[in-house]
This record gives sequence, structure tokens and C-alpha cells, in this order.
Amino acid sequence: QQQVKQSPQSLIVQKGGISIINCAYENTAFDYFPWYQQFPGKGPALLIAIRPDVSEKKEGRFTISFNKSAKQFSLHIMDSQPGDSATYFCAASLNDYKLSFGAGTTVTVRA
Amino acid sequence: DAGITQSPRHKVTETGTPVTLRCHQTENHRYMYWYRQDPGHGLRLIHYSYGVKDTDKGEVSDGYSVSRSKTEDFLLTLESATSSQTSVYFCATRGYRGNKEDNYGYTFGSGTRLTVV
Repeated sequence: QQQVKQSPQSLIVQKGGISIINCAYENTAFDYFPWYQQFPGKGPALLIAIRPDVSEKKEGRFTISFNKSAKQFSLHIMDSQPGDSATYFCAASLNDYKLSFGAGTTVTVRA
Repeated sequence: DAGITQSPRHKVTETGTPVTLRCHQTENHRYMYWYRQDPGHGLRLIHYSYGVKDTDKGEVSDGYSVSRSKTEDFLLTLESATSSQTSVYFCATRGYRGNKEDNYGYTFGSGTRLTVV
């Protein structure tokens, strides 16, 4: 049973558009919520992460929005670029030593 | 990825044969993990280690065993490979990054693509 549910499975966005990926979790004890980016043939790489004591974190064109009461968090990719085309995974953990991953979202940015 | 080497990168094996995948790290990280990646499932934790000779099961551990005799090496063994174990296997380590919010981050290897025929 997946502890983190991710949607959509895939999305297509035009260059310069906004990509939005949503995740929901069940375990209220989770205290660490990272996003990973994966390119074909490579392992996932940490993109950005948030703790539940803040509602938003921004790093460059990537923003995490966190809603503790709804047990949801999302990744926004602003001004999407072709180089952002990848698979994105949300994850959650307790004390960040054992991650539970979502199923992944494949993002395609059309030039 | 720098510091983590997985071997082999690709392997085709027959049903019923034992298979061992190797993960080698040069980061001296305490925690090491084996995940499998399958379409529609994301990454699922098979086993993890929190020190030499200290291991524990993840959510999909049936049919797999692990060993860690040295800090730098974490081995994953499929005792008797089945077609359902066809997957991409990733090793990861968890180490201190020294950042404000992400004191500990995971670093993944490049994966081993295993096909069981």
C-alpha cells in the first residue's frame, strides 16, 4: 500500500508554462518531504525538500507548497524549459532515514 | 553519480538462478538502501542498512537478502530469481549535507537493469 499518492501520472506543458504535480500522504508523523528529479538512465537526484513547519519553499523556478491540514504537498515548476523534461517523484519520511516514494510523474516540456 | 557505483549495470538471468547486485560507496555514509523501480510504483524500499552487519527489511523484501560486511559495500541477493523481480534496482546512501533544511540527503547510484527470463 503506497503511503504517498502522486498525480498526475504524466503531463505535457509548453515552454514557459507552469507544471504542477500533487502528492498526498497518510502518515501524519512524516516530517520530511523531498522531491526528486530523474532523467532517463540515471538515478533520482534531490531537487528540493520541505519540512512541515513551513507552507512554502522556493528554489529558483521550483516551489513546494505544503498543506499540513490537508496532508498534501505539491511541486510547481515555473517557466518550464525543455531541460526540465524528466520524471519527478515526491517522497515522505519520518526522521528522513527511510523514504516512501510516490509513483512518479513524467513531465514533457514542448519547445 | 559521484561516490556510488552499482555493478553490474545490466544483467539478464534465468528464472531460478541466484543473482547478486553490488553497491559500492566512497562517501563513508552510515545508511545504505536498495530500492526497486517499476512503472506505476515509483521506488519501493527492499532492504536498508544502518551500519556494518546491521540491516532491516523494507516494504518489498520477500525473495531478497542483503549483506553489509564493510561500510562501503552493500550487496543485494536474489536467492532464486523470478520474472516478477525484473526491474531497475537502485542503491542509495544517506549522508550529511550540511544544509539548513536538508541536513541529510539521499544520493542514488545509476541503477542496475535486471531482466529475469
